[in-house]
Amino acid sequence: QVQLVQSGAEVKKPGSSVKVSCKASGGTFSSYTISWVRQAPGQGLEWMGRIIPILGIANYAQKFQGRVTITADKSTSTAYMELSSLRSEDTAVYYCAGTIVYTFDPWGQGTLVTVSS
Amino acid sequence: QSALTQPPSASGSPGQSVTISCTGTSSDVGGYNYVSWYQQHPGKAPKLMIYEVSKRPSGVPDRFSGSKSGNTASLTVSGLQAEDEADYYCSSYAGSNNFYVFGTGTKVTVL
Repeated sequence: QVQLVQSGAEVKKPGSSVKVSCKASGGTFSSYTISWVRQAPGQGLEWMGRIIPILGIANYAQKFQGRVTITADKSTSTAYMELSSLRSEDTAVYYCAGTIVYTFDPWGQGTLVTVSS
Repeated sequence: QSALTQPPSASGSPGQSVTISCTGTSSDVGGYNYVSWYQQHPGKAPKLMIYEVSKRPSGVPDRFSGSKSGNTASLTVSGLQAEDEADYYCSSYAGSNNFYVFGTGTKVTVL
């Protein structure tokens, strides 16, 4: 089964951007769509968007439209999530998750993004 | 798109059962048989426990079961064990405009 390994923790200034990667191994990257889900400290899960790597088509939650960009590099089986105009409320753990038949499995280990001046 | 509604907490003694509800609308839970449930221990990534309302992935104990009636889905954990103490989240497909929505989460405590 596919395993997803994410990039390391980031500390960013308000107004800047962050790009988190999610590398797939041990399976067929193109079999999945990749979703990004975030979890603010002590809060619940929030779906941000997804990409279909074989098509390069991305869809975003309305809340993040215009501020998030999800891309994928088929040659390296890696998906990316870039979030711009960061504010303190964007401090969260960001997860990537493989999605088949509307189900999130597997999950990456999570990447903590801290936004602080 | 509003989050699905779950009770903040649920509890039970070892060996007992606990049921968690997940209430949405006809645009998500009620409209599709694509409800899934995730277990999350502190500091860990979520883990899939139930998909497509009632199906269990390989390796998930049969103590975990799911169902749906109308706009409300439910997760039942029977024969509670200490390791079942965790946060649980439901999720539903919500159509090609909104795609996915998660529940507010329920903390399950084993007394």
